[in-house]
Amino acid sequence: EAQVTQNPRYLITVTGKKLTVTCSQNMNHEYMSWYRQDPGLGLRQIYYSMNVEVTDKGDVPEGYKVSRKEKRNFPLILESPSPNQTSLYFCAIARQGARGGTEAFFGQGTRLTVV
Amino acid sequence: GENVEQHPSTLSVQEGDSAVIKCTYSDSASNYFPWYKQELGKGPQLIIDIRSNVGEKKDQRIAVTLNKTAKHFSLHITETQPEDSAVYFCAASGGITGGGNKLTFGTGTQLKVEL
Repeated sequence: EAQVTQNPRYLITVTGKKLTVTCSQNMNHEYMSWYRQDPGLGLRQIYYSMNVEVTDKGDVPEGYKVSRKEKRNFPLILESPSPNQTSLYFCAIARQGARGGTEAFFGQGTRLTVV
Repeated sequence: GENVEQHPSTLSVQEGDSAVIKCTYSDSASNYFPWYKQELGKGPQLIIDIRSNVGEKKDQRIAVTLNKTAKHFSLHITETQPEDSAVYFCAASGGITGGGNKLTFGTGTQLKVEL
């Protein structure tokens, strides 16, 4: 069964203090991505990675960085967090389903509050 | 890029009634349309999907319909039960962006099934 593990689940931090949210998968999938979820805005893609050392911006990349040094891990880095980055974050893996199309599996989420 | 609109944002039904959630998309290249259910404190989970070469698909009490000409698709839940209460997201993928793996989500529908 596909498993995506995010840590931490909850985080409260102060403006400007660098933080990293980790994401790891157990399925050896190539495609991984980060989303943020905000009320009334749904899930918006921050960054994605199609393979090791291949990353690209999603729809809302400002203020975030990612890295993909190995296939199983895809950390999300906030170099200088600001209050507008308070959100619920999800890491996801994706694969081509047996019937075609993208099947995405999401982690449990990380609730980040920046004060 | 792709834009997915979802309505309604909240939906309240009586147990046993049907619920319908509607989405429209903008990118005619999209060819895969999954639906996700998000329960409180959890990440979204895929519940049903449909590809563009199919007009309707059913899985027990849930069904999806797709009108490719009009670029809209819908989720139908019959005989609703309290455990159907959750946030539902539609999504579209298959365009060029992100190698065809990118999922663009709607803004979500909070479904409440009342006893």
